[in-house]
Amino acid sequence: EAGVAQSPRYKIIEKRQSVAFWCNPISGHATLYWYQQILGQGPKLLIQFQNNGVVDDSQLPKDRFSAERLKGVDSTLKIQPAKLEDSAVYLCASSPGLSSYEQYFGPGTRLTVT
Amino acid sequence: AQSVTQLDSQVPVFEEAPVELRCNYSSSVSVYLFWYVQYPNQGLQLLLKYLSGSTLVKGINGFEAEFNKSQTSFHLRKPSVHISDTAEYFCAVSKAAGNKLTFGGGTRVLVKP
Repeated sequence: EAGVAQSPRYKIIEKRQSVAFWCNPISGHATLYWYQQILGQGPKLLIQFQNNGVVDDSQLPKDRFSAERLKGVDSTLKIQPAKLEDSAVYLCASSPGLSSYEQYFGPGTRLTVT
Repeated sequence: AQSVTQLDSQVPVFEEAPVELRCNYSSSVSVYLFWYVQYPNQGLQLLLKYLSGSTLVKGINGFEAEFNKSQTSFHLRKPSVHISDTAEYFCAVSKAAGNKLTFGGGTRVLVKP
């Protein structure tokens, strides 16, 4: 079974530029999560989808971050404009559904904002 | 709201020695508890989880953890570590199935030969 795929693996941009990350969850997984992991900290949830609907986006900085999962499969997370403090690893995770406790994580995208 | 505290940010340990990683949590509701491992440049992998039942939980790679409700702790142990156990370990809680995970700050384990 293929795992969660993310691209790109690394990205360097200047502040005020925009950037997008892509995630393809495990086939058949209905629930998709985006976490932000700042260096030296644990991951923090940004947004959670169930199929193509948003379950929790309470921690998403909506003035600059957006995410979509239009067809309920893969997802894109965008930052526009980026700030220095957005430098982090962005992790995507998926789960079979809302009755599942286990989340499966992708390798992450490491973003550096200069 | 839940919070997780991992008391040690770094733990150096010699190969074949035992290791214990401490985790304490705070929550106003019952929670489910998890330990994840993150190898360099990789995503998080589930080591073990406590949902209910026996408070001693066994996971992959010889790890085990004990849930202590009165002390709100979920410490992770391994009796004999290998070089390959060098990684960062995260304790996490969730208040229900399908809910977000709330992570601690992580403990970096460095196994020395």
